Amino acid sequence: DAGVIQSPRHEVTEMGQEVTLRCKPISGHDYLFWYRQTMMRGLELLIYFNNNVPIDDSGMPEDRFSAKMPNASFSTLKIQPSEPRDSAVYFCASSLATGLNYGYTFGSGTRLTVV
Amino acid sequence: DQQVKQNSPSLSVQEGRISILNCDYTNSMFDYFLWYKKYPAEGPTFLISISSIKDKNEDGRFTVFLNKSAKHLSLHIVPSQPGDSAVYFCAASAGTGKLIFGQGTTLQVKP
Repeated sequence: DAGVIQSPRHEVTEMGQEVTLRCKPISGHDYLFWYRQTMMRGLELLIYFNNNVPIDDSGMPEDRFSAKMPNASFSTLKIQPSEPRDSAVYFCASSLATGLNYGYTFGSGTRLTVV
Repeated sequence: DQQVKQNSPSLSVQEGRISILNCDYTNSMFDYFLWYKKYPAEGPTFLISISSIKDKNEDGRFTVFLNKSAKHLSLHIVPSQPGDSAVYFCAASAGTGKLIFGQGTTLQVKP
């Protein structure tokens, strides 16, 4: 298995533009998580899905952020409009329900820079 | 409110010595704790975990200790190797499958 695949690896955009981050989880995993890494707060959970259904989006910072999982093999995290304070590394992770206590598998992340 | 805290942003250790990374938590409902390791430009990878019913779990050079009364856990690496240089994240779960992470500690092991 190729693992969790995220695209793009790097994204530089201007303030006010729409940004879409993409994630392909490991086949067969029924949980998908979106995290954001910053120096101050470490890894923050933004939202997670179980069987494509959003379960907890309490970590989504503002209405500018939205996430979808139209099918078991694809998820997007969208920021519209983007702001400089959104600059961070965004990680997607997936897991089997039975493997939750053994850790998720993370993708390599998308480094977002909003100028 | 940060439910999982790693108060030391960085730690430097000589090769061959012990590295001790610390983590504190506030939520008494947490029942599973994990450590992740992260190299630059890569995603975090699972290292070791411990259930709240235990106070120690060992895997090779890595040992995690849990002190529930103090709401504190630590990761010991013995002996430390230069390849252990990375960012280490502590994480906790309350059984929902949702992992709450700390801010991370950057470990540097000097040859």
